[in-house]
Amino acid sequence: DTEVTQTPKHLVMGMTNKKSLKCEQHMGHRAMYWYKQKAKKPPELMFVYSYEKLSINESVPSRFSPECPNSSLLNLHLHALQPEDSALYLCASSQEPGQVNTEAFFGQGTRLTVV
Amino acid sequence: QKEVEQDPGPLSVPEGAIVSLNCTYSNSAFQYFMWYRQYSRKGPELLMYTYSSGNKEDGRFTAQVDKSSKYISLFIRDSQPSDSATYLCAMSAGYQKVTFGTGTKLQVIP
Repeated sequence: DTEVTQTPKHLVMGMTNKKSLKCEQHMGHRAMYWYKQKAKKPPELMFVYSYEKLSINESVPSRFSPECPNSSLLNLHLHALQPEDSALYLCASSQEPGQVNTEAFFGQGTRLTVV
Repeated sequence: QKEVEQDPGPLSVPEGAIVSLNCTYSNSAFQYFMWYRQYSRKGPELLMYTYSSGNKEDGRFTAQVDKSSKYISLFIRDSQPSDSATYLCAMSAGYQKVTFGTGTKLQVIP
């Protein structure tokens, strides 16, 4: 199984809603990542978890709250988002944190629309 | 100046053509150079990576890195319609952060 599975595939939420994005991998990878990708733009790193601990937060607003309940699961909790937060949210994983360069698997993403 | 520059295209070529995709960069600390392919509405897929300078070949794909010029290339031989996608270059200094180019949209016309 070389898949990173993200749910839901599509999400529409209001600015007052609370929702969560979910990412799962069963490859035994110890590093997991959240990226944000706007249309026609490259992915931008948001968070990195190494061995279930947050190791990088790229100055992401607090309305985005990551959580890593176990080594296979990564969540992104969303609250009070703005329309400009609408984007494709990508999860990725690698065997070890330093292997993001040589062996990173991406999920298909959750396409989020904030109305 | 952006750390990584990539022509967004679109680039249209006939089937069978050799495709050349390029990126330039400004950060001398970059040691890892990757190429990702992203189909519409899908996540990126790692195609190839190169460490430091040199060439790497994998089937119809060849990656080249020239660190002295801060220039990397991806060549696709015998291009197929199934190669139509956005190609993202990406670079890293060896830590956990990867910097992506904006991507070049490629269309291979049958």
